[in-house]
Amino acid sequence: GAGVSQTPSNKVTEKGKYVELRCDPISGHTALYWYRQSLGQGPEFLIYFQGTGAADDSGLPNDRFFAVRPEGSVSTLKIQRTERGDSAMYLCASSLIPDNEQFFGPGTRLTVL
Amino acid sequence: DAKTTQPNSMESNEEEPVHLPCNHSTISGTDYIHWYRQLPSQGPEYVIHGLTSNVNNRMASLAIAEDRKSSTLILHRATLRDAAVYYCILRALNSGGSNYKLTFGKGTLLTVNP
Repeated sequence: GAGVSQTPSNKVTEKGKYVELRCDPISGHTALYWYRQSLGQGPEFLIYFQGTGAADDSGLPNDRFFAVRPEGSVSTLKIQRTERGDSAMYLCASSLIPDNEQFFGPGTRLTVL
Repeated sequence: DAKTTQPNSMESNEEEPVHLPCNHSTISGTDYIHWYRQLPSQGPEYVIHGLTSNVNNRMASLAIAEDRKSSTLILHRATLRDAAVYYCILRALNSGGSNYKLTFGKGTLLTVNP
């Protein structure tokens, strides 16, 4: 079946602009996660959704970052006033229930010039 | 979250077994040991997990020390497609009782030589 998909695969933007990154989880998966991965590092947790609600957003670096999952399926990670330090790979994952294995998408490579 | 320690890199030859070590000396009794791997230009993928007993699946085996302070991921016959970064992760229970968060370290970069 279809795995987790993320769009766009690459996003280049200018400092100060707003960006949206989209994640389509595996159908039926109630839990959805966003991670961020810098070059040479492992992924870092950003936010976790159970259904439509953000159950844990403790990993969001600051209030420029926001994520939604309005219908409990697709999620959008939104970054306002982008900074060069936001450049990274943004990974989305989903799982059937929170304690199960997580299935990751291929990521969105964000570059802020 | 409890920390894990892995070698930065390892090399193997194709068709040979690979033993990837992980130290987790501060593991608690309710921490599960998970392994994920990340192939080049892809997101991580689940490999295997265990609590106390050794585990086998189609991808690998997980050997857990009796005191649980270390574990070893075993690839029985490495192939070129196994070249990846391997992450050893402890999934800790949070105060709410749900161990959803994955805390990745830098992992071990496995190179497989033809």
